[in-house]
Amino acid sequence: SAVISQKPSRDICQRGTSLTIQCQVDSQVTMMFWYRQQPGQSLTLIATANQGSEATYESGFVIDKFPISRPNLTFSTLTVSNMSPEDSSIYLCSVDPPGTVANVLTFGAGSRLTVL
Amino acid sequence: KNQVEQSPQSLIILEGKNCTLQCNYTVSPFSNLRWYKQDTGRGPVSLTIMTFSENTKSNGRYTATLDADTKQSSLHITASQLSDSASYICVVSDAGGSYIPTFGRGTSLIVHP
Repeated sequence: SAVISQKPSRDICQRGTSLTIQCQVDSQVTMMFWYRQQPGQSLTLIATANQGSEATYESGFVIDKFPISRPNLTFSTLTVSNMSPEDSSIYLCSVDPPGTVANVLTFGAGSRLTVL
Repeated sequence: KNQVEQSPQSLIILEGKNCTLQCNYTVSPFSNLRWYKQDTGRGPVSLTIMTFSENTKSNGRYTATLDADTKQSSLHITASQLSDSASYICVVSDAGGSYIPTFGRGTSLIVHP
């Protein structure tokens, strides 16, 4: 299965600043997914990132707040912009590795953000 | 609206004991159901995946069952170990062409020595 490296693993940020999370996969994948996991909550899909096209955002998430880059088939970034304490969450990158049953997502270790 | 409900929300057991976690879903049409284990500070890791025709699937001490008629699944952990302490998440995908799975909130399991 795919191996995902995600960084930073955790960070403490000041209100109003922005932070970019990086996700590196050890194999080429078509789609990469960004999830948010708020304390005590289930995972919520933020957006789907395809190489060479604009990311597709889910309801409640907008590009200005969560800009995403997907420059190639193994890398993606998610930026959390103009952060507020409500953005304190774990952000997870995931992929649907080729050669596996569809939708068996592989996840990165997550980036735990705390906004003061 | 597709929903996945898990119970209990949290569970504490003694090492060596067995336990069963429950998952009810309303996802339709059904494609597959997966159980993930999420250790603290880590991303979820897949334990089992079950399709419509499968009733039981095992992965070591973990056994998942699926009743597609009642839309229920369970994850049974046998002879629990301290390393089983984690959150267990039930995830269901529909067969309607959407690749977006529906996640449960998870059951937090704590195994005490």
